Amino acid sequence: DGGITQSPKYLFRKEGQNVTLSCEQNLNHDAMYWYRQDPGQGLRLIYYSQIVNDFQKGDIAEGYSVSREKKESFPLTVTSAQKNPTAFYLCASTDQPGPVPSEQYFGPGTRLTVT
Amino acid sequence: GIQVEQSPPDLILQEGANSTLRCNFSDSVNNLQWFHQNPWGQLINLFYIPSGTKQNGRLSATTVATERYSLLYISSSQTTDSGVYFCAVVIPGTASKLTFGTGTRLQVTL
Repeated sequence: DGGITQSPKYLFRKEGQNVTLSCEQNLNHDAMYWYRQDPGQGLRLIYYSQIVNDFQKGDIAEGYSVSREKKESFPLTVTSAQKNPTAFYLCASTDQPGPVPSEQYFGPGTRLTVT
Repeated sequence: GIQVEQSPPDLILQEGANSTLRCNFSDSVNNLQWFHQNPWGQLINLFYIPSGTKQNGRLSATTVATERYSLLYISSSQTTDSGVYFCAVVIPGTASKLTFGTGTRLQVTL
């Protein structure tokens, strides 16, 4: 069954700790994205990757880091430098990162709470 | 950057009613998608519609790219239609990065 999986569904951390969110896709998509959603708001782009071993900052990259060592995996680390890490994090992918955008698909999300 | 505005921000309907949601954007786009976010947070793809009209069951969408707006029509609404509807656009040359609107929160009552 093809799709995007994110784990865990809920994550609780103490302030000052780094935490890594998992995103895996078996759609053979080239591009992957991380978005953040705060209550009552739309999604904002954190980081994206169009190809393995390459990634770019999105609109709100400060306090986050990513890696893309495999095509199917794009983990996001929320570092202690992120001032307001509590949010809903969604991962997405698309198969054509070129000039004609393809449809983007989303995983089920991870709710991170930092206290 | 591009501005994506959705209206109305909130909508309450009785089951069976029809509705139209609007998405205005301030710059040229080469992709537009409509999503439904269910109560558990899952974003469900409704339409990939950079231009033209598409229909899927009780839902249909129209994008007029030259006039910078898109409409989502929901007919014969059901309680399962409740949730938040987002439109999201891609600016040409931006690696398919989606810019989201602030959403329309829909509640369908019995």
